[in-house]
Parts: sequence; structure tokens; C-alpha cells
Amino acid sequence: NAGVMQNPRHLVRRRGQEARLRCSPMKGHSHVYWYRQLPEEGLKFMVYLQKENIIDESGMPKERFSAEFPKEGPSILRIQQVVRGDSAAYFCASSPRNGGDIQYFGAGTRLSVL
Amino acid sequence: DQQVKQNSPSLSVQEGRISILNCDYTNSMFDYFLWYKKYPAEGPTFLISISSIKDKNEDGRFTVFLNKSAKHLSLHIVPSQPGDSAVYFCAASARNAGGTSYGKLTFGQGTILTVHP
Repeated sequence: NAGVMQNPRHLVRRRGQEARLRCSPMKGHSHVYWYRQLPEEGLKFMVYLQKENIIDESGMPKERFSAEFPKEGPSILRIQQVVRGDSAAYFCASSPRNGGDIQYFGAGTRLSVL
Repeated sequence: DQQVKQNSPSLSVQEGRISILNCDYTNSMFDYFLWYKKYPAEGPTFLISISSIKDKNEDGRFTVFLNKSAKHLSLHIVPSQPGDSAVYFCAASARNAGGTSYGKLTFGQGTILTVHP
């Protein structure tokens, strides 16, 4: 039973470029969450999605960041015009169809902005 | 606004002894609490959880205690093993009046546990 799959594991971008992070939830899971971890800090909630719906985006920066979870394919976290402060580890988690509080995490994407 | 706090950045224990990791929260709407373990360059792994209707939950070597009046929970690992060395995160979530989770988890800053052989 494959876990939450994130790719790429490492992503290097220059300032001003776009970063696209992908997440495939565990089989049977239809709830996806994105978190960001800055160095020396805990994980901070960004956005909660179900298929084709954004449920809660209260943790997303107002500009440059967007997320989607289409009917087919993985969830995508998109960061436009990246800045050095976007350098962080981005984790995706998923939970079962009936919701639930336990979230299962992927290995993360480490974004480095040069 | 740190709603979940782990005040000890690190903890060092001897193999075979008990490890106690602490967590405090301020938001009284939180009613479900989780502990995750994280190794470097990996994602957090779920360890154990507890609902606010309980004060203790046990799973093998891991026990979580919840003191709602003090807004405090702790994770006990006994006996501790070198493989337990990792960063431990406390997390909390809230539910709406219908009992459905709001979804988002609020995490503490983490505690680095080192278990010496």
C-alpha cells in the first residue's frame, strides 16, 4: 500500500521562477493538506483540499501561492515568482474519505531558492 | 501566536529509561491531539493520538496523557531505545459542532529526543 508520494524531493529555483510541487495521496484518501516547515520551526498549515475543492486556505500567503487537487491526477502546490524566503520543506498529508484527524505525511519537497 | 508549545527543544535519556515529552496548548477548541515522530529528510510519522474525552491512551511502549484542565499533554516512551532518537512533534486539531474535523493540524515546534546506548 503506497504511502503519500511527493515529487520532486528536492527542487532548486532561482528568484523569480515558478515552483510546482506535486502530491499523490494514499490510495483511498480524498483529503489533502499542505504544510510548510521553515528551518528550526514546526510545520505550519497552508491549505486543505478535497477533489476539485479548496476547503480551507487560511494558511496560504495571499500572493504568489496557489493549490489545486483536480479530479484526476495529483495535488499541486504552485509558487510563482519565488523569493529566498520561500526556501523550506513542503509536506503534503492525506486522510481517508470520511475525514478523520489522523493525517499521513509524505517525505516532503525541499525547495531551495537561489 | 503559538497555540501549541513544546517548551523543551531537546531531551537526552539513557537507553532503557523513560522519555517524557511535554506539550502545552492554549486553544480550548482543540479536542484531538496527536504525536508525530520525524527523522531527518523524512516526513512526520504518526505515533499515537488521544481524544479530549480520554485522559490516557496507550500503544505498546508509547503512552499519551491528557490533562484538559491544565491544557497539557505528555508522551511517555518506556523503555526508550536508540532508534527512538528523532524529533517529536505534538499536534492538535478541532472539530465543528457536528463532530467533523476542521482538517488543519496545529503543530508545536518539536523536541529533539536523543537516546544514548
